[in-house]
Amino acid sequence: GAVVSQHPSRVICKSGTSVKIECRSLDFQATTMFWYRQFPKQSLMLMATSNEGSKATYEQGVEKDKFLINHASLTLSTLTVTSAHPEDSSFYICSADRGYKDGDYGYTFGSGTRLTVV
Amino acid sequence: RKEVEQDPGPFNVPEGATVAFNCTYSNSASQSFFWYRQDCRKEPKLLMSVYSSGNEDGRFTAQLNRASQYISLLIRDSKLSDSATYLCVVNKDTDKLIFGTGTRLQVFP
Repeated sequence: GAVVSQHPSRVICKSGTSVKIECRSLDFQATTMFWYRQFPKQSLMLMATSNEGSKATYEQGVEKDKFLINHASLTLSTLTVTSAHPEDSSFYICSADRGYKDGDYGYTFGSGTRLTVV
Repeated sequence: RKEVEQDPGPFNVPEGATVAFNCTYSNSASQSFFWYRQDCRKEPKLLMSVYSSGNEDGRFTAQLNRASQYISLLIRDSKLSDSATYLCVVNKDTDKLIFGTGTRLQVFP
């Protein structure tokens, strides 16, 4: 089945530093990947849609200069949290779309990255 | 109004019980609907898609009511391993997923 690998699973960084999170589709090509953020006891909130070879599309209220997304290949998208602050501490999850197949939409999620900014 | 609304629960039920969750969505143009399961501190995993005619997968039954814009999930013969948060998910703009806040289920012995 479709597998999405996300790294790192957990990261602790100092305030003001940048953190890069990788999302790879291992056995399929993903022209579109999605980045979500989830605060404790809250829902997953879509941050941006990552499109291979073009600029990401950000949801309202998400700062594109703070959350840099690069989708350089059909199997890799990266999210860089720049100048991280404690309020950026959250669970970040990526999702890749393998396309509509066999009557189902193929959204596969990475295992998530728990970011703690101290 | 939230795009996808769910009762956060928790629903505390004994093993073997039947439990039902409902979810409402605001965008009448939504076409795809799903139930995901999320365990604590883990990524969400697809439980089942929800089709207009309703669908069943073992102990799980999903229903869609387009007129009222709500989706339901019924779990029969609850197991301890069913304890998790159940996320109602609706598509937006054909390829974006909008998640509800989730309904927490706790099954006790």
